Amino acid sequence: EAQVTQNPRYLITVTGKKLTVTCSQNMNHEYMSWYRQDPGLGLRQIYYSMNVEVTDKGDVPEGYKVSRKEKRNFPLILESPSPNQTSLYFCASTPQGEGDTQYFGPGTRLTVL
Amino acid sequence: RKEVEQDPGPFNVPEGATVAFNCTYSNSASQSFFWYRQDCRKEPKLLMSVYSSGNEDGRFTAQLNRASQYISLLIRDSKLSDSATYLCVVSGSARQLTFGSGTQLTVLP
Repeated sequence: EAQVTQNPRYLITVTGKKLTVTCSQNMNHEYMSWYRQDPGLGLRQIYYSMNVEVTDKGDVPEGYKVSRKEKRNFPLILESPSPNQTSLYFCASTPQGEGDTQYFGPGTRLTVL
Repeated sequence: RKEVEQDPGPFNVPEGATVAFNCTYSNSASQSFFWYRQDCRKEPKLLMSVYSSGNEDGRFTAQLNRASQYISLLIRDSKLSDSATYLCVVSGSARQLTFGSGTQLTVLP
């Protein structure tokens, strides 16, 4: 089944404790991205990757890192999480070509205390 | 000013009603336009793309007005299962999507 998976789905952590949210897609898509969703603000892009070893900042990259060592995986790293990073996070992937559908993962609900 | 603006609602309509959502975008260089549907904090899913000539998919009709930088979605004969949040999405270069904050629809029996 074609899908985007994220882990963990739910996470409660404390300020400053490094964490990684994994994202994996099995559709051989080149483009992957991370979003956060907050009430009243909609989805905002954190980082995106056009292909392996190519990553770039989105609209709200501060406090986040990403890597793209393999085509299928695009982990989101919070080196020192803070309470303002409490949010719902979505990973998405897109096949080659402008305007193609973004396939979203199921989301990761993160709470930073 | 937000790049993509939507009326947040909520829209509460009876089954069978016709409901219309509007969306405006600020970047005149935007190239692609979409409506996504999101159920109760689940992942967004593509409802339909929006083309300049307007397009229809069953009970759903999308329109784009580039001159006014305006996108609309019309839902006819609303079903209970249409209850969701509808996200207006605009794409510029490099496939970077900008999302509106969504319009909440509840279809009542």
